[in-house]
Amino acid sequence: AIQMTQSPSSLSASVGDRVTITCRASQGIRNDLGWYQQKPGKAPKLLIYAASSLQSGVPSRFSGSGSGTDFTLTISSLQPEDFATYYCLQDYNYPALTFGGGTKVEIK
Amino acid sequence: EVQLVESGGGLVQPGGSLRLSCAASGFTFSSYDMHWVRQATGKGLEWVSAIGTAGDTYYPGSVKGRFTISRENAKNSLYLQMNSLRAGDTAVYYCARAGILTGYRPQEGSYYYGMDVWGQGTTVTVSS
Repeated sequence: AIQMTQSPSSLSASVGDRVTITCRASQGIRNDLGWYQQKPGKAPKLLIYAASSLQSGVPSRFSGSGSGTDFTLTISSLQPEDFATYYCLQDYNYPALTFGGGTKVEIK
Repeated sequence: EVQLVESGGGLVQPGGSLRLSCAASGFTFSSYDMHWVRQATGKGLEWVSAIGTAGDTYYPGSVKGRFTISRENAKNSLYLQMNSLRAGDTAVYYCARAGILTGYRPQEGSYYYGMDVWGQGTTVTVSS
């Protein structure tokens, strides 16, 4: 099974900061990766699909990059509403899916 | 409005059974693959099962043989039958729609699916 390793598991940042989260796959997954945001008590929300495509309605400060085994989610200027937990999800083996362990973005 | 609403969660004893439901509205349910994803308190997300438009089903090893996903397109409904429940199955269970987000990708030989619509979740607690 494909393993997804996210780092860091948590980070503290200030409003306006540039934030980068990484996800590494245990084998090559082309660009079959999505990024999801989850706020406490809420369902996850799709932000990025196919590694770098922005889901409709998602602010342009979110961007994704990478291919193969290494992927990055970047928030160019952190906003108050962005404090949440972020998950990567591989669907190379769709419909069998694997999430990363999550990255909690907290207020500094 | 596109919506998914889960129900059926509750408290069940170890070894017991529970059936979750997910009611879909606002889209052509029969045209979409559907998934169940769970999340234990304070933990990450875990994929639990998937069902294709043709009724083909998929499970990870952690639930295979104990959980059964099914769908009833006439009722716009998705189900998860959970048997032989364990304490480790305690979680919030979400249903999610797998939307086709790209055109056909010739190099990959596939479309790209992403979970673009989620329900609010239903809580399952396995405890004596």
